[in-house]
Amino acid sequence: DAKTTQPPSMDCAEGRAANLPCNHSTISGNEYVYWYRQIHSQGPQYIIHGLKNNETNEMASLIITEDRKSSTLILPHATLRDTAVYYCIVRVTGNQFYFGTGTSLTVIP
Amino acid sequence: EAGVAQSPRYKIIEKRQSVAFWCNPISGHATLYWYQQILGQGPKLLIQFQNNGVVDDSQLPKDRFSAERLKGVDSTLKIQPAKLEDSAVYLCASSLDTGTSKQYFGPGTRLTVT
Repeated sequence: DAKTTQPPSMDCAEGRAANLPCNHSTISGNEYVYWYRQIHSQGPQYIIHGLKNNETNEMASLIITEDRKSSTLILPHATLRDTAVYYCIVRVTGNQFYFGTGTSLTVIP
Repeated sequence: EAGVAQSPRYKIIEKRQSVAFWCNPISGHATLYWYQQILGQGPKLLIQFQNNGVVDDSQLPKDRFSAERLKGVDSTLKIQPAKLEDSAVYLCASSLDTGTSKQYFGPGTRLTVT
C-alpha cells in the first residue's frame, strides 16, 4: 500500500517553477509527508518534509492542504539538474517510508 | 560527513546462486534500512534495524533473504538461492533514530540474476 498517488510524468521549462502534486487522502494525523528525488543510478536524496504547515528550504517549498489530503512540491526555478524521479512519501510510525511510483520530471531547455 | 557506503555497486549472478551485499551507515546512525527497488517502481522496505535488533522484517522473503547487523554498525543482506525476480537495485539507508529523522540513502547495488 503506497499511501500516495502522483502523476507518472511531467515536463517543465528551464527557469520556470515546477509544481509536483501528490494525493495522500488516507494520511493519519501524526504521519509526515516527505519528498525525495532520485537521479538516474543514484540513491534517493532528501528534499523536504512537513506535517501540516507549509515548509521552505534552500531546495524547495512544500504546500500541504488544510485537510492534509494532498500536497505540492514546488521547485521555484527548475534547472536541467532537477530532472529526476520525485517521490512523495508518507512516513509512518517507526520512521518507515512508503514510496509510490513517483513522478518523472523532465526539465526542458 | 561521509555518506552511506554500499558494495558492490554491481553484481551479476545465475539463478540459484547466492549473493551478499554490504552496507556501512553514517557514523552514529542507530537505524538502518534495506530497500528493494525493481525497475520502474519506488523502493520497497525489506527490513529495518534499530542498533543490532530487527524492528520490522514483515516484507522480507525469509525463505531466501536474510540480513544481519552485528555490533549495530555495518549490515549485510544475503539472498540464497537467487531467483530471476530478485533482479533489482538494493538500497541501504540510515537515520539517527526512529523518530522524525530523515533517511540518508546509499548509491545502491544493482543485482542482475540470469
